[in-house]
Amino acid sequence: DTAVSQTPKYLVTQMGNDKSIKCEQNLGHDTMYWYKQDSKKFLKIMFSYNNKELIINETVPNRFSPKSPDKAHLNLHINSLELGDSAVYFCASRNSGQATNYGYTFGSGTRLTVV
Amino acid sequence: GNSVTQMEGPVTLSEEAFLTINCTYTATGYPSLFWYVQYPGEGLQLLLKATKADDKGSNKGFEATYRKETTSFHLEKGSVQVSDSAVYFCALIGSSGGGADGLTFGKGTHLIIQP
Repeated sequence: DTAVSQTPKYLVTQMGNDKSIKCEQNLGHDTMYWYKQDSKKFLKIMFSYNNKELIINETVPNRFSPKSPDKAHLNLHINSLELGDSAVYFCASRNSGQATNYGYTFGSGTRLTVV
Repeated sequence: GNSVTQMEGPVTLSEEAFLTINCTYTATGYPSLFWYVQYPGEGLQLLLKATKADDKGSNKGFEATYRKETTSFHLEKGSVQVSDSAVYFCALIGSSGGGADGLTFGKGTHLIIQP
């Protein structure tokens, strides 16, 4: 069973469209994250949710809106897609009750290409 | 804020060569330190970790020692294999953070091992 699963794995879409990426974890973790990896492989946190509550919201355009219907799911909706949104988006999860040295579990990524 | 600096890549080595990938960090207090690996087309996997000064993390022949005095966490392997070709990320999470804190990543080092 996949611990953190993201769908879709690949997404090609035109500028101006609205799209969503879904993430689900079956680890019983209470905290989930979205990271963006740009074309140079640089990884940067976008959002963090703890028990469905937004904890971290880095400087991300408000076209990006995360939604957490329950603590096992964290979806990312993107409005009015732009060329610069092309990247790989990773979902991750962990249990906030554990010490910080416990590893985060990452999904396999969603490669978004905006044309 | 927290930051992680890694040596720029790509790093190209012959099989069985000795590997060092440098990583230094800036953080307050005593962060936990991690190395993650990303194989081509895959997500991030935790390679090793260390949580306090002089701790040594090790896994799959890779080692890294938490050096508080030099704020470093260099990754080493005595004899690399072609299968080690991947992108390696140094990361930290601050000691002052709450359970929902995200990881701060370095920019990644692309390692290429030639037969």
